[in-house]
Amino acid sequence: EIVVTQSPGTLSLSPGERATLSCRASQSVSSSYLVWYQQKPGQAPRLLIYGASSRATGIPDRFSGSGSGTDFTLTITRLEPEDFAVYHCQYYGRSSGLTFGGGTKVEIK
Amino acid sequence: EVQLVQSGAEVKKPGESLKISCKGSGYSFSNYWIVWVRQMPGKGLEWMGMIYPGDSDTRYSPSLQGQVTISADKSIITAYLQWSSLKASDTAMYYCARLRSGYSHYYMDVWGKGTTVTVSS
Repeated sequence: EIVVTQSPGTLSLSPGERATLSCRASQSVSSSYLVWYQQKPGQAPRLLIYGASSRATGIPDRFSGSGSGTDFTLTITRLEPEDFAVYHCQYYGRSSGLTFGGGTKVEIK
Repeated sequence: EVQLVQSGAEVKKPGESLKISCKGSGYSFSNYWIVWVRQMPGKGLEWMGMIYPGDSDTRYSPSLQGQVTISADKSIITAYLQWSSLKASDTAMYYCARLRSGYSHYYMDVWGKGTTVTVSS
């Protein structure tokens, strides 16, 4: 069973700063199946990045995803006020199904 | 517009049964998996299972198998999540989402707004 771990649990930053969020898998996984979602309070998650690095439709280019193997990163180059939210990574494995990390909350410092 | 419309909030007592729904529109409902995701209060997302409405092929999370039943009626473009006997620990927000799946990708691109289920005596 693949376990997905996100860090840090909470990231305190100011608008305009760079955010770097980590998603680590317990074993090497295909980057094709690594996904990032954004969730704001009281809202459903929204697709941000799929295939580890492809932005979903309408997602600003300040959001980027990278990584391979066991280590993946979501980077937000310059935080806008609307970017303060919880970010979830998710992996699909044929034997384990869909697995989510615990989430990283990006909060205003 | 592609959308998933979920049924309204529910308040139930332990031991009661419940069936919540997720209606798709704006796309070919039969040809995409519908995923159910649980989010307990203040917690992260948890995959519960999914169904392919075209042939009702269903997969469950090993940790939740037997606790819920997922079904779909493609004639009315609706998927369902049901419990036969609710517990207080079923209190959560439940989301349905459309799964885009293929050889090189696997992600949920359209989400319902969620159904809040509260189980309390």
